[in-house]
Amino acid sequence: GAGVSQSPSNKVTEKGKDVELRCDPISGHTALYWYRQSLGQGLEFLIYFQGNSAPDKSGLPSDRFSAERTGGSVSTLTIQRTQQEDSAVYLCASSSPGGTQETQYFGPGTRLLVL
Amino acid sequence: GENVEQHPSTLSVQEGDSAVIKCTYSDSASNYFPWYKQELGKGPQLIIDIRSNVGEKKDQRIAVTLNKTAKHFSLHITETQPEDSAVYFCAASKGGSYIPTFGRGTSLIVHP
Repeated sequence: GAGVSQSPSNKVTEKGKDVELRCDPISGHTALYWYRQSLGQGLEFLIYFQGNSAPDKSGLPSDRFSAERTGGSVSTLTIQRTQQEDSAVYLCASSSPGGTQETQYFGPGTRLLVL
Repeated sequence: GENVEQHPSTLSVQEGDSAVIKCTYSDSASNYFPWYKQELGKGPQLIIDIRSNVGEKKDQRIAVTLNKTAKHFSLHITETQPEDSAVYFCAASKGGSYIPTFGRGTSLIVHP
Protein backbone atom coordinates (compact mmCIF):
# COMPACT_ATOMS: atom_id res chain seq x y z
CA GLY A 1 0.00 0.00 0.00
CA ALA A 2 0.96 3.66 -0.04
CA GLY A 3 3.66 4.81 2.33
CA VAL A 4 4.12 8.13 4.07
CA SER A 5 4.18 11.01 1.64
CA GLN A 6 5.48 14.52 2.14
CA SER A 7 5.19 17.69 0.13
CA PRO A 8 6.85 19.64 -1.19
CA SER A 9 9.97 17.52 -1.70
CA ASN A 10 12.08 20.67 -1.88
CA LYS A 11 11.40 24.20 -0.70
CA VAL A 12 13.55 27.28 -1.14
CA THR A 13 12.45 30.38 0.71
CA GLU A 14 13.76 33.71 1.79
CA LYS A 15 14.64 34.55 5.36
CA GLY A 16 11.62 35.91 7.18
CA LYS A 17 9.01 34.11 5.09
CA ASP A 18 6.61 31.51 6.48
CA VAL A 19 6.59 27.94 5.14
CA GLU A 20 4.16 25.04 5.44
CA LEU A 21 5.26 21.43 5.11
CA ARG A 22 2.73 18.65 4.63
CA CYS A 23 2.70 15.03 5.71
CA ASP A 24 0.26 12.31 4.68
CA PRO A 25 0.70 9.33 7.01
CA ILE A 26 -0.10 5.72 6.26
CA SER A 27 -3.83 5.19 6.44
CA GLY A 28 -4.89 3.93 9.86
CA HIS A 29 -1.72 4.95 11.64
CA THR A 30 -2.65 6.81 14.79
CA ALA A 31 0.77 8.19 15.64
CA LEU A 32 2.59 10.85 13.64
CA TYR A 33 6.04 12.32 14.28
CA TRP A 34 8.00 15.23 12.86
CA TYR A 35 11.80 15.24 12.92
CA ARG A 36 14.44 17.63 11.68
CA GLN A 37 17.68 16.39 10.18
CA SER A 38 20.46 18.90 9.59
CA LEU A 39 23.19 18.07 7.10
CA GLY A 40 25.13 15.05 8.28
CA GLN A 41 23.32 14.99 11.62
CA GLY A 42 20.96 12.66 13.40
CA LEU A 43 17.22 12.92 13.84
CA GLU A 44 16.02 15.75 16.04
CA PHE A 45 12.52 15.10 17.42
CA LEU A 46 10.12 18.01 16.97
CA ILE A 47 6.54 16.99 17.73
CA TYR A 48 4.40 13.87 18.22
CA PHE A 49 0.68 13.33 17.65
CA GLN A 50 -1.12 10.28 19.03
CA GLY A 51 -4.79 9.86 18.25
CA ASN A 52 -6.91 12.52 19.88
CA SER A 53 -4.45 13.21 22.68
CA ALA A 54 -2.76 16.56 23.08
CA PRO A 55 0.43 16.59 20.99
CA ASP A 56 3.85 16.32 22.59
CA LYS A 57 5.51 19.56 21.52
CA SER A 58 8.58 19.17 23.70
CA GLY A 59 10.97 19.09 20.75
CA LEU A 60 9.90 22.29 19.01
CA PRO A 61 12.97 24.57 19.02
CA SER A 62 11.09 27.87 19.23
CA ASP A 63 7.61 29.39 19.09
CA ARG A 64 8.14 29.99 15.37
CA PHE A 65 7.46 26.28 14.89
CA SER A 66 3.96 24.83 15.12
CA ALA A 67 2.12 21.80 13.78
CA GLU A 68 -1.42 20.65 13.32
CA ARG A 69 -2.98 17.33 12.55
CA THR A 70 -6.47 17.57 11.11
CA GLY A 71 -8.95 14.73 11.41
CA GLY A 72 -6.30 12.43 12.80
CA SER A 73 -4.64 12.13 9.39
CA VAL A 74 -2.78 14.83 7.45
CA SER A 75 -0.35 17.01 9.37
CA THR A 76 1.13 20.40 8.56
CA LEU A 77 4.34 21.75 10.08
CA THR A 78 4.53 25.53 9.92
CA ILE A 79 7.68 27.57 10.38
CA GLN A 80 7.09 31.29 10.74
CA ARG A 81 9.67 33.97 9.99
CA THR A 82 12.17 31.42 8.74
CA GLN A 83 15.84 31.76 9.62
CA GLN A 84 18.87 30.36 7.81
CA GLU A 85 19.44 27.90 10.64
CA ASP A 86 16.05 26.36 9.84
CA SER A 87 17.57 24.91 6.67
CA ALA A 88 17.37 21.14 7.02
CA VAL A 89 15.46 18.06 5.93
CA TYR A 90 12.13 17.74 7.72
CA LEU A 91 11.03 14.14 8.07
CA CYS A 92 7.61 12.85 8.96
CA ALA A 93 6.93 9.34 10.26
CA SER A 94 3.83 7.45 11.25
CA SER A 95 3.23 4.34 13.29
CA SER A 96 0.51 2.31 14.87
CA PRO A 97 1.72 2.03 18.46
CA GLY A 98 0.69 -0.72 20.74
CA GLY A 99 1.44 -4.40 20.70
CA THR A 100 4.19 -5.17 18.22
CA GLN A 101 3.66 -2.25 15.91
CA GLU A 102 5.93 0.50 17.18
CA THR A 103 7.83 0.63 13.90
CA GLN A 104 8.03 4.09 12.45
CA TYR A 105 7.56 4.49 8.72
CA PHE A 106 9.28 7.56 7.36
CA GLY A 107 8.42 9.72 4.42
CA PRO A 108 11.08 10.93 1.95
CA GLY A 109 11.36 14.29 3.69
CA THR A 110 11.11 17.93 2.66
CA ARG A 111 14.42 19.65 2.00
CA LEU A 112 14.11 23.25 3.18
CA LEU A 113 16.64 25.88 2.20
CA VAL A 114 16.34 29.33 3.71
CA LEU A 115 18.32 31.96 1.82
CA GLY B 1 15.34 10.86 29.58
CA GLU B 2 16.85 8.23 27.34
CA ASN B 3 20.30 8.78 25.85
CA VAL B 4 21.55 6.71 22.92
CA GLU B 5 25.20 6.73 21.89
CA GLN B 6 26.19 5.27 18.50
CA HIS B 7 29.66 4.37 17.25
CA PRO B 8 31.46 4.71 14.97
CA SER B 9 30.24 7.81 13.16
CA THR B 10 31.91 6.63 9.97
CA LEU B 11 32.82 3.09 8.91
CA SER B 12 34.67 2.20 5.74
CA VAL B 13 34.99 -1.44 4.66
CA GLN B 14 35.89 -3.46 1.59
CA GLU B 15 33.19 -5.36 -0.23
CA GLY B 16 32.78 -8.78 1.34
CA ASP B 17 33.98 -7.69 4.78
CA SER B 18 31.76 -7.54 7.84
CA ALA B 19 30.58 -4.31 9.45
CA VAL B 20 29.58 -3.77 13.06
CA ILE B 21 27.83 -0.72 14.48
CA LYS B 22 27.34 -0.38 18.22
CA CYS B 23 24.84 1.54 20.34
CA THR B 24 24.43 2.03 24.06
CA TYR B 25 21.34 3.27 25.86
CA SER B 26 20.75 4.63 29.34
CA ASP B 27 17.14 3.83 30.27
CA SER B 28 16.76 0.26 31.49
CA ALA B 29 13.01 0.51 30.76
CA SER B 30 13.65 0.64 27.02
CA ASN B 31 12.47 -2.57 25.41
CA TYR B 32 12.36 -2.00 21.66
CA PHE B 33 15.46 -1.38 19.53
CA PRO B 34 15.02 -0.75 15.79
CA TRP B 35 17.70 -0.10 13.20
CA TYR B 36 17.08 2.15 10.23
CA LYS B 37 18.94 2.55 6.94
CA GLN B 38 18.89 5.91 5.21
CA GLU B 39 20.04 6.10 1.63
CA LEU B 40 21.00 9.40 0.08
CA GLY B 41 17.98 11.61 -0.52
CA LYS B 42 15.53 9.24 1.15
CA GLY B 43 13.89 8.83 4.53
CA PRO B 44 15.10 6.18 7.00
CA GLN B 45 13.73 2.69 6.45
CA LEU B 46 13.51 -0.04 9.08
CA ILE B 47 15.87 -2.93 8.35
CA ILE B 48 15.68 -4.97 11.54
CA ASP B 49 14.50 -4.63 15.12
CA ILE B 50 14.83 -6.51 18.38
CA ARG B 51 12.86 -6.62 21.57
CA SER B 52 14.23 -6.96 25.06
CA ASN B 53 12.98 -10.51 25.46
CA VAL B 54 15.47 -11.85 22.89
CA GLY B 55 19.24 -11.61 22.64
CA GLU B 56 19.78 -11.96 18.91
CA LYS B 57 17.85 -11.73 15.68
CA LYS B 58 19.00 -12.48 12.13
CA ASP B 59 17.66 -11.66 8.71
CA GLN B 60 19.88 -12.93 5.91
CA ARG B 61 23.11 -10.87 6.05
CA ILE B 62 21.90 -8.65 8.87
CA ALA B 63 21.85 -9.48 12.57
CA VAL B 64 21.25 -7.54 15.74
CA THR B 65 22.41 -8.50 19.22
CA LEU B 66 21.19 -7.10 22.52
CA ASN B 67 22.87 -7.15 25.93
CA LYS B 68 20.30 -5.87 28.41
CA THR B 69 22.66 -6.04 31.36
CA ALA B 70 25.24 -3.84 29.69
CA LYS B 71 22.56 -1.80 27.92
CA HIS B 72 24.07 -2.08 24.50
CA PHE B 73 23.01 -3.47 21.13
CA SER B 74 24.82 -3.94 17.86
CA LEU B 75 24.11 -4.27 14.16
CA HIS B 76 26.15 -6.80 12.22
CA ILE B 77 26.26 -6.86 8.42
CA THR B 78 28.12 -9.75 6.82
CA GLU B 79 29.40 -10.02 3.25
CA THR B 80 28.92 -6.32 2.70
CA GLN B 81 27.99 -5.07 -0.75
CA PRO B 82 28.28 -1.57 -2.27
CA GLU B 83 24.49 -1.18 -1.98
CA ASP B 84 24.85 -1.44 1.79
CA SER B 85 26.48 1.99 1.70
CA ALA B 86 24.16 4.32 3.62
CA VAL B 87 23.66 5.99 6.99
CA TYR B 88 22.45 3.63 9.70
CA PHE B 89 20.57 4.79 12.79
CA CYS B 90 19.85 2.87 15.96
CA ALA B 91 17.02 3.79 18.30
CA ALA B 92 15.71 2.83 21.72
CA SER B 93 12.11 3.00 22.84
CA LYS B 94 9.93 1.95 25.74
CA GLY B 95 7.40 0.88 23.16
CA GLY B 96 3.78 1.80 22.78
CA SER B 97 3.28 5.54 22.60
CA TYR B 98 6.74 6.45 23.84
CA ILE B 99 8.88 8.52 21.49
CA PRO B 100 12.02 6.63 20.42
CA THR B 101 15.45 8.15 20.94
CA PHE B 102 17.79 7.89 17.96
CA GLY B 103 21.54 7.59 17.79
CA ARG B 104 23.47 10.13 15.73
CA GLY B 105 23.98 7.74 12.85
CA THR B 106 26.84 5.82 11.23
CA SER B 107 27.88 6.46 7.66
CA LEU B 108 28.84 3.08 6.18
CA ILE B 109 30.92 3.09 3.02
CA VAL B 110 31.48 -0.20 1.22
CA HIS B 111 34.27 -0.02 -1.33
CA PRO B 112 33.94 -2.34 -4.36
